[in-house]
Parts: sequence; structure tokens; C-alpha cells
Amino acid sequence: EIVLTQSPATLSLSPGERATLSCRASQSVSSYLAWYQQKPGQAPRLLIYDASNRATGIPARFSGSGSGTDFTLTISSLEPEDFAVYYCQQRSNWPPVFGPGTKVDIK
Amino acid sequence: EVQLVESGGGLVKPGGSLRLSCAASGFTFSSYSMNWVRQAPGKGLEWVSSISSSSSYIYYADSVKGRFTISRDNAKNSLYLQMNSLRAEDTAVYYCARDTVSRDAFDIWGQGTMVTVSS
Repeated sequence: EIVLTQSPATLSLSPGERATLSCRASQSVSSYLAWYQQKPGQAPRLLIYDASNRATGIPARFSGSGSGTDFTLTISSLEPEDFAVYYCQQRSNWPPVFGPGTKVDIK
Repeated sequence: EVQLVESGGGLVKPGGSLRLSCAASGFTFSSYSMNWVRQAPGKGLEWVSSISSSSSYIYYADSVKGRFTISRDNAKNSLYLQMNSLRAEDTAVYYCARDTVSRDAFDIWGQGTMVTVSS
């Protein structure tokens, strides 16, 4: 089973700052990596699929990059609504595991 | 509007059973693989089970294999999760989620239904 590691566990930033979140896989997942955003009391929302493709309706300030084992989600300029938990998920092999998440909170 | 609505959660005693349902609307349900994902209180997301569009392929997490059964009724646009021999560690919010056509992400999620296993 592929294991996903996300870092940092918590990222404390101010609105307008750039956020860089990391997801590392225990073995190559090619580009089959997705990113989700979850706010308290809400279901997760798909942000990025296939490592770098924004899902429908996702603002351009969200971008994804990487391939193989190392991936990055970047939020270019944090808006107040972006403070949330972010999860990566691999879709290369079964099971389609999620990472433990990175919480982006307000500094 | 594309929508998934879960139901069937509640309080159940250890060893008990529960059946979750997920009603789909706004898309051709029979064309998509579907999934169950759970989230224990204060914890991260855990994939539980997946079923292909025609029910030909079914997968389970090791943590639920032999106890949970996923199924679907394409005529009723519904997804199900039969949960037997429930344990305290099954306590979680259970989400149903649609797979993308190319099966590279879960693009539509329901609001979740809470399952509490406690005596």
C-alpha cells in the first residue's frame, strides 16, 4: 500500500501570503494525485486532479505541481476562505489512500 | 444540480448493523464508479469502499473487509453501504463520493451521515 506524507502538519499564514503544501508518496504514483480542501463541518471539495489540473470552478490562485513521489499544492495569495485542511490522495494503485492533511490556519 | 445525499446514520451498539444510503441526482448515475469515505471525529479521511458503474468491480479497505458490503441500484440512482459487526472504531462521518470518468479523483461529495458505535 502506498503511504502519503504531508508537510507541514500545520501552516500558519496571513491573508495575502503564499502557501506551499507538500505531499510525498512512498513510491511513484506518476501524476495520479489529487488535492482536496475541507472546511470545518463540510465535505471535502476537489481542487486539483492529475497533479496539476484544476477542478471545475476552482480559482486560479490554486495550482498543483509534481510527479512521481513529490507533489506541491500552492495557493498564490491566501484569501480568508482558504483557511482549511488540505488532503492529497493518490489514484495510481489500490487502495486510493489519502494523506494525513495539512491545516492552513490564520497567523 | 449534481447532488449526493446520504442517509441512514445513527447510534448503534457494538456488534450491530446499519445500512447507509446515498441518493444521486443531476447526473447519469449508472455511468460513474462510486465510493464511500469516512472521517472519524477530529481525524483525516479514510477510503472505505468503491464500486464500479456496473458493480463488476468492488474494493474494500482492509479495516472493513468481511464486515461491510457496498452495492448500488442504478435504476434507483442509489448507492448503499451495509455495515455489520460494527465496532467503536467505525464511528465516523460517512461520505459518498463520485469518481471522475477517468477515475483520477472524487469530484462530487455528499454532506455525510454520522455513524456512532457505542454501548
